[in-house]
Amino acid sequence: EDQVTQSPEALRLQEGESSSLNCSYTVSGLRGLFWYRQDPGKGPEFLFTLYSAGEEKEKERLKATLTKKESFLHITAPKPEDSATYLCAVQASSGSRLTFGEGTQLTVNP
Amino acid sequence: NAGVTQTPKFQVLKTGQSMTLQCAQDMNHNSMYWYRQDPGMGLRLIYYSASEGTTDKGEVPNGYNVSRLNKREFSLRLESAAPSQTSVYFCASSRDRLEQYFGPGTRLTVT
Repeated sequence: EDQVTQSPEALRLQEGESSSLNCSYTVSGLRGLFWYRQDPGKGPEFLFTLYSAGEEKEKERLKATLTKKESFLHITAPKPEDSATYLCAVQASSGSRLTFGEGTQLTVNP
Repeated sequence: NAGVTQTPKFQVLKTGQSMTLQCAQDMNHNSMYWYRQDPGMGLRLIYYSASEGTTDKGEVPNGYNVSRLNKREFSLRLESAAPSQTSVYFCASSRDRLEQYFGPGTRLTVT
């Protein structure tokens, strides 16, 4: 059974204070690992797809990396508008379903 | 280009009532999905449709039915609502079963 565990559950940062969110996973053959951002009362917004260990993707202040067992979402010099819940999901090579973690709730204080 | 749209945005039902949640996408995606999101449980797949004309059960299908009306539309029906179905429901779509794009959600309360 595919599993995704995200840590920490919640993270408070000061504006400009860089940090990382963790996504540990077990999957029977990884087809893709996905990061999403979810704002309160809205649907998840797609950020990145990573396909193989060693791959990295960047978008503005966010950088996602992937190893064989975990992924990190690095946030550099965050701003208050980066406050959201960040979700990680994996897709096994055998199917099309995504298995989601419960998310990390990030709060960036000005 | 609206992406994925869902109706209604909010709904309150009494136990035993039925309703249909509507979803449409304008991205010409082949695959569509229905999820529910509950505190402490994350997003869980209810049903999905890999392509027009096919549907399959996900992780939590009991109490739900789906219809893939055409390539654009995928509806979720609750035949006899129960309080345990109080949740936020999201529809999503994807091209080639890769990254999924989500709608804004329907907030359902069953009393």
